[in-house]
Amino acid sequence: DAGVTQSPTHLIKTRGQQVTLRCSPKSGHDTVSWYQQALGQGPQFIFQYYEEEERQRGNFPDRFSGHQFPNYSSELNVNALLLGDSALYLCASSLALRFSSSYEQYFGPGTRLTVT
Amino acid sequence: DAKTTQPPSMDCAEGRAANLPCNHSTISGNEYVYWYRQIHSQGPQYIIHGLKNNETNEMASLIITEDRKSSTLILPHATLRDTAVYYCIVRVADDKIIFGKGTRLHILP
Repeated sequence: DAGVTQSPTHLIKTRGQQVTLRCSPKSGHDTVSWYQQALGQGPQFIFQYYEEEERQRGNFPDRFSGHQFPNYSSELNVNALLLGDSALYLCASSLALRFSSSYEQYFGPGTRLTVT
Repeated sequence: DAKTTQPPSMDCAEGRAANLPCNHSTISGNEYVYWYRQIHSQGPQYIIHGLKNNETNEMASLIITEDRKSSTLILPHATLRDTAVYYCIVRVADDKIIFGKGTRLHILP
C-alpha cells in the first residue's frame, strides 16, 4: 500500500523565483492538505484541496497557490520566493469525511526548500 | 492558535511506559483529540485519536478524562525509536490540523 509521496526531496531556489512541489496521496485518499514547517516550529496549515477545489486556507499570502488533479495528486506553487519561505513543505492526505469517520491525515516525508 | 497545552519536554527510561499529558480545557463537544509524532526531519506520523472513550491500538493508548479537558498518551514500552516530538491536537474531524509546540520526548538508554 503506497503511502504519501512527495517530490522533489530537496530544492534550492533563489529569491524571486517560482517553485512547484508535488504530492501523490496515499492510495484510496481523495483529500490533500499542505503544511509549511520552519526550522524548530510545528507545521503550519497552508491549504486543503478536495474535488479539485481549495476547501480551506490558512493564513498564507496569495503567492502560495495550489492545484489538485483528477487523480487526486496535488501541486503547491510558490511565486516570488522570499528567504522566509525556506522550510520543510509537508503534504498530507486523507479520505473525505463522508467516507471515513475518523479522518486521520497521513503525511509524506516532505520537500526541503532552501531559498538563497 | 493551538487549543492544547503540553510540557515542552519529557524524559523516559527505555522499556518503561511513557505518559505524555495534554490539557485541552476549551475542547468542544464535537472535537476529537488526535496525537501525532514527528521523528527528526520526517513527516508527522498519526498515532491515535479519540472522542470521549479511551482508545488503544498497536502503537499506544489514549486516556481521556471524563470531563474531556485533558488526556494522556501512553507508550507502554518505550524504545529509543520513540524519541520524537509528540503533538496533541483537538479538532473537528474534517478540519485542518493546527499544531502547537508539542512535547519533545527523550528516551534514555
